[in-house]
Amino acid sequence: KNQVEQSPQSLIILEGKNCTLQCNYTVSPFSNLRWYKQDTGRGPVSLTIMTFSENTKSNGRYTATLDADTKQSSLHITASQLSDSASYICVVTPFNKFYFGSGTKLNVKP
Amino acid sequence: NAGVTQTPKFQVLKTGQSMTLQCAQDMNHNSMYWYRQDPGMGLRLIYYSASEGTTDKGEVPNGYNVSRLNKREFSLRLESAAPSQTSVYFCASSLYEGNEQFFGPGTRLTVL
Repeated sequence: KNQVEQSPQSLIILEGKNCTLQCNYTVSPFSNLRWYKQDTGRGPVSLTIMTFSENTKSNGRYTATLDADTKQSSLHITASQLSDSASYICVVTPFNKFYFGSGTKLNVKP
Repeated sequence: NAGVTQTPKFQVLKTGQSMTLQCAQDMNHNSMYWYRQDPGMGLRLIYYSASEGTTDKGEVPNGYNVSRLNKREFSLRLESAAPSQTSVYFCASSLYEGNEQFFGPGTRLTVL
């Protein structure tokens, strides 16, 4: 069964600290993996997209990694800011279908 | 350039009432999607339209109908609302199927 599992479900960190969010998937075949950020009350916004051949991609303080062999991805946030408080959603795409994880809710406290 | 817009932002319905959620995009995208998002669950696809003139069922289509009115607009209709349809509904669009999706701000629907 095609599934996308994210951990942890929720996370609280202090402003300025780093954190890592995990995404494990069983989706096959694999085309690409995306990380989205969803602010409270808003729609998701794309952060990164990675194809099978990429294992790291950065977008400012966000760095995504992908291990296609173990079917794992992580999103690392460096020097967190209050504005990073949001849900982060992992999405795996086998060509034209989208499989969404349930997200990790990050709360950055001052 | 507004991106993807949705109306209304909030709606409260009584069981059995009907309503239509509107979605429009100004990015000249070919594909459009309707999702629902419930607490603790990932976004689930209700219906999608790969291109103007086509619509297909997604993962959870029961109780909904859609219309791809033209390339810009894709509406979602609830014919007889049920409490199980209480959710946040997101419309999204992409240039083609499988490309990056751009999401609207969502419609928060409560069915009493």
